[in-house]
Amino acid sequence: QVQLQQSGPGLVQPSQTLSLTCAISGDSVSSNSVAWNWIRQSPSRGIEWLGRTLYRSQWYNDYAVSVETRITIKPDTSKNQFSLHLNSVTPEDTAVYYCARDAAVAGAFFDYWGQGTLVTVSS
Amino acid sequence: QSVLTQPPSVSAAPGQKVTISCSGSSSNIGDNHVSWYQQVPGTAPKLLIYENSKRPSGIPDRFSGSKSGTSATLGITGLQTGDEADYYCGTWDTRLSAGVFGGGTRLTVL
Repeated sequence: QVQLQQSGPGLVQPSQTLSLTCAISGDSVSSNSVAWNWIRQSPSRGIEWLGRTLYRSQWYNDYAVSVETRITIKPDTSKNQFSLHLNSVTPEDTAVYYCARDAAVAGAFFDYWGQGTLVTVSS
Repeated sequence: QSVLTQPPSVSAAPGQKVTISCSGSSSNIGDNHVSWYQQVPGTAPKLLIYENSKRPSGIPDRFSGSKSGTSATLGITGLQTGDEADYYCGTWDTRLSAGVFGGGTRLTVL
C-alpha cells in the first residue's frame, strides 16, 4: 500500500520560499512507471496542478505555466521523497498543498494523495 | 477559471441516479483519458474513476464514467447520503503539458 506523508511549515512570510516534503512508502521515487506531483487547492483557484518529477532513465520535470518561474520540484532518492519549493510567495499562494502519485501511462490520474498541508502566506 | 467545465451543483433523492458532466477541449479530454475524484470537505481527493471508465479496487460499481469527444460524464446510481461530496474531473492537457481539473460539482442528496 502506497502512503505519502507530507511535512513542512504551515506559515510562510510574503516574498519567502515555501518548502514542503513528501515522504513515500510502498513505492519508489525512482520508479519508471509513475510520476510524483504537487497539487494545491484554494477557494479562489480550485484544484491547481503545480508540477511533477518523474524518472525515465533520467529525471524530468514539468511545471504549470502559472508558477514555472518560481517552482522547483526535487527528488531525493536517498530518502525516497520529493520536495516542493515555491519562491517569492504572496498571499495568493495560500492554499492546501497536496503531493500525489500519478500512475497513468499516458495522461494523468492521481491514485494516492498526501494528507494535505494548509500553507498560509502572511506576515 | 478552471480549464475543464463542470456544473457547480447537482442534487437528487436517495436511491436515485445523478450524472455530472465535464467539458473540455481537443487538447485535454479530446486527447487524453479522464479521471474523477470525490472529495469530502477537509480531506484529500479520492480517485473514483481513471482512464475514463475504470474503477480502482474498493470503488463500488454504483460509480461509472464515460467519455465522448471532448466531454466526460460521471454517473452515480443508488444515491446514498454518504455520497454527498464535491466531485472533480481531471486529465492531462497535451498543449499545456500540465494536469488540469474541473471546478468541481457539489452533490447534494436530498
